[in-house]
Amino acid sequence: EVQLVESGGGLVQPGRSLRLSCVASGFTFNDYAMHWVRQAPGKGLEWVSAISWNSGSVDYAGSVKGRFTISRDNAKNSLYLQMNSLRPDDTAFYYCAKRGVAGTYFDYWGQGTLVTVSS
Amino acid sequence: EIVLTQSPGTLSLSPGERATLSCRASQSVSSTYLAWYQQKPGQAPRLLIYGPSSRATGIPDRFSGSGSGTDFTLTISRLEPEDFAVYYCQQYISSPYTFGQGTKLEIK
Repeated sequence: EVQLVESGGGLVQPGRSLRLSCVASGFTFNDYAMHWVRQAPGKGLEWVSAISWNSGSVDYAGSVKGRFTISRDNAKNSLYLQMNSLRPDDTAFYYCAKRGVAGTYFDYWGQGTLVTVSS
Repeated sequence: EIVLTQSPGTLSLSPGERATLSCRASQSVSSTYLAWYQQKPGQAPRLLIYGPSSRATGIPDRFSGSGSGTDFTLTISRLEPEDFAVYYCQQYISSPYTFGQGTKLEIK
């Protein structure tokens, strides 16, 4: 059974940093690109970032480029999102998501971790 | 950036009825690069359809997807009580991988 478990969310002041983690199980982690998708409370879904299976390629939404850094540790089956210079509009549930077999859709999602940016 | 527009915003139907949800893209996403998700309150999204007519693992056959180019449809043939939720489309032909704003399917 595929499982993705996020952690690291919480309340943080504007301008500060936070690091999210996602631990994967139930599939061969280093075979797949991984993504972060976020959802502000009561709002729609926004793709945030992607990383290839070997960390050779990364990609970001324009809204987070230059502030967020995605990384992974295949030995630990783990995905990370380092978030710097946080803003109130970064407040959201952050989901870790696995790339599908046949394309960049998301066939498995974690339960999400809530990041609240507020003073 | 490809913008996806879903309609209607809210759809009110009764169990047993047929639901038709629309997703229109601002530019072509080919016949392949469109997915649909279901999200219930307090839960993560769940993949329903990709490609745009292939059902994900465990998805019942009352869910079907169709379309190509810029116009896509998710059809639920006979609504079950557990189908009332928010539905999102997503394009994956190019980054950023955008989502529609969602259609809320509510019980009439």
